[in-house]
Amino acid sequence: GAVVSQHPSRVICKSGTSVKIECRSLDFQATTMFWYRQFPKQSLMLMATSNEGSKATYEQGVEKDKFLINHASLTLSTLTVTSAHPEDSSFYICSQSARRDTDTQYFGPGTRLTVL
Amino acid sequence: AQSVTQPDIHITVSEGASLELRCNYSYGATPYLFWYVQSPGQGLQLLLKYFSGDTLVQGIKGFEAEFKRSQSSFNLRKPSVHWSDAAEYFCAARGGGNKLTFGTGTQLKVEL
Repeated sequence: GAVVSQHPSRVICKSGTSVKIECRSLDFQATTMFWYRQFPKQSLMLMATSNEGSKATYEQGVEKDKFLINHASLTLSTLTVTSAHPEDSSFYICSQSARRDTDTQYFGPGTRLTVL
Repeated sequence: AQSVTQPDIHITVSEGASLELRCNYSYGATPYLFWYVQSPGQGLQLLLKYFSGDTLVQGIKGFEAEFKRSQSSFNLRKPSVHWSDAAEYFCAARGGGNKLTFGTGTQLKVEL
């Protein structure tokens, strides 16, 4: 199966700082990358989608200036939480769909962000 | 509106017993359907998927799911549950675009 990694797995930061989360596909080229947010004991909420060569498309209610997404290459996407606040604390999960199987999303292991 | 419903928030089964997790969808046309499993603090692992064809789909870890168009359901089953199957299970659907809609998840507890 397709392997997606995320780094870091866990990060604690002070309020007002920015945090960057990386999402890499290790054994395939990703055509589309997705970023989700998951609150405790809840389902995943899609934040944004980015296609190869295009800017990210954000879901309604997600601030694009706060959650910066860079689809740097076919294997790397980054999510930067700018000026983080305690309410941004959450579990962030990326997923990617591969050229060879565009209908299926493969998920990274997630990043636990805690903002103090 | 497109939606995925998992009626059971929590399910507890004994190890070795059979398991069925329910999933219903509401879409204009038959969507692509998926089951994912999430262990604590982890991302989601794909168990199986249904796009078309045979309505009984085999997945990893001994799981299977059956698509029933008449009931708009895609229930996940396993004949004999192992303690390591304890996790959160998410049903998801994808319509015409590439967005996944997730159910709210079912937390499975396995009693030894």
